[in-house]
Amino acid sequence: QSALTQPRSVSGSPGQSVTISCTGTSSDVGGYNYVSWYQQHPGKAPKLMIYDVSKRPSGVPDRFSGSKSGNTASLTISGLQAEDEADYYCCSYAGSFFWVFGGGTKLTVL
Amino acid sequence: EVQLVESGGGLVQPGGSLRLSCAASGFTFSSYWMSWVRQAPGKGLEWVANMKQDGIEKYYVDSVKGRFTISRDNARNSLYLQMNSLRAEDTAVYYCARGSGQWFDPWGQGTLVTVSS
Repeated sequence: QSALTQPRSVSGSPGQSVTISCTGTSSDVGGYNYVSWYQQHPGKAPKLMIYDVSKRPSGVPDRFSGSKSGNTASLTISGLQAEDEADYYCCSYAGSFFWVFGGGTKLTVL
Repeated sequence: EVQLVESGGGLVQPGGSLRLSCAASGFTFSSYWMSWVRQAPGKGLEWVANMKQDGIEKYYVDSVKGRFTISRDNARNSLYLQMNSLRAEDTAVYYCARGSGQWFDPWGQGTLVTVSS
């Protein structure tokens, strides 16, 4: 039950695109299409951005998209905006009714 | 508006107990799985436990099995987390969230639990 692997930090300029990876194993990310992504601003509760690998909840801008290839899931944010600066966490089903998060990625908008 | 409000956090000595509560409003509480997720200071998120609508089926992360108990009262639209034998490593903000883990949405504002002598 190890945490999923995310880069500690990524950065991009306004208007650019960035991709955050989330690497697991065939027992979690690679084995199920149950990957979700959360945005967390400092001192705030996390917010659901993507679920079931690539589905977007209502109200989430279509600048946010998700995908998966093998044991690695990705969150892509296009047209970066200042308000996108936050921590991002992935989460995956890991079997046996267990859920595992990634260590988190700090996104800096330059 | 869907809302979750946690309460019950505080300072407790190692080996002590605490009961967290989560009051839900704005949705049919009895129709959803509910979960607890925690975040140690300056650290990432960790799923702790979840419970099915029936209040019977429930699951825990290994590190809290046998010490924490999740429960719910659908008549009171409330979720609970009874935490016993608390350890320093249980120090965290505890969030209540709607959902089983396939998604967590929304989240409450969190309640801080500090385990220290």
